[in-house]
Amino acid sequence: AQRVTQPEKLLSVFKGAPVELKCNYSYSGSPELFWYVQYSRQRLQLLLRHISRESIKGFTADLNKGETSFHLKKPFAQEEDSAMYYCALSGDSGGGADGLTFGKGTHLIIQP
Amino acid sequence: DAGVTQSPTHLIKTRGQHVTLRCSPISGHKSVSWYQQVLGQGPQFIFQYYEKEERGRGNFPDRFSARQFPNYSSELNVNALLLGDSALYLCASSLASGRSSYEQYFGPGTRLTVT
Repeated sequence: AQRVTQPEKLLSVFKGAPVELKCNYSYSGSPELFWYVQYSRQRLQLLLRHISRESIKGFTADLNKGETSFHLKKPFAQEEDSAMYYCALSGDSGGGADGLTFGKGTHLIIQP
Repeated sequence: DAGVTQSPTHLIKTRGQHVTLRCSPISGHKSVSWYQQVLGQGPQFIFQYYEKEERGRGNFPDRFSARQFPNYSSELNVNALLLGDSALYLCASSLASGRSSYEQYFGPGTRLTVT
């Protein structure tokens, strides 16, 4: 069974400090990993996916298959980064219609 | 485009009743997925529909069912409601089915409370 673990329920850092939100996964095949973000009073939206290898809003995430991790990083946190962050995995079952498996989420608070 | 829309926004039902939740995907999107999000948890996959056919099902009992209409809108039905069904129900649409090939766009959700 596939599983996504986000060990931190809450992460509080000061503005300008580096941010790292941890994500570990369990999956026997070749997964695709995503980070979703939900800002206050907004809907869940895609932040980035590992296959695109791009930086969005200063965030990056590298898939480490050896450590089965997909940590989200940003060198300098901004107040507008405060939000709920979910790591998600898509498996490779036939047809690809297995949906996304989400972690429980990390609430990131950026203090001024 | 207003994005994915869901109705109703909030709903209160009694144990044993049934409920129907509705979702309209983004124009041009042919795939709809349903997720249940219990307070304090991440969304959990219930169903995916593409071209009016069920393409995937999560680990939910048969009390949960869904369908997709020719205009690609979708309904999620839950029978014999239990207190544990209280949750935020999210709908997501994408261009097509298949792993991460197509980004999923989420709606605002329907908050279901079962008393």
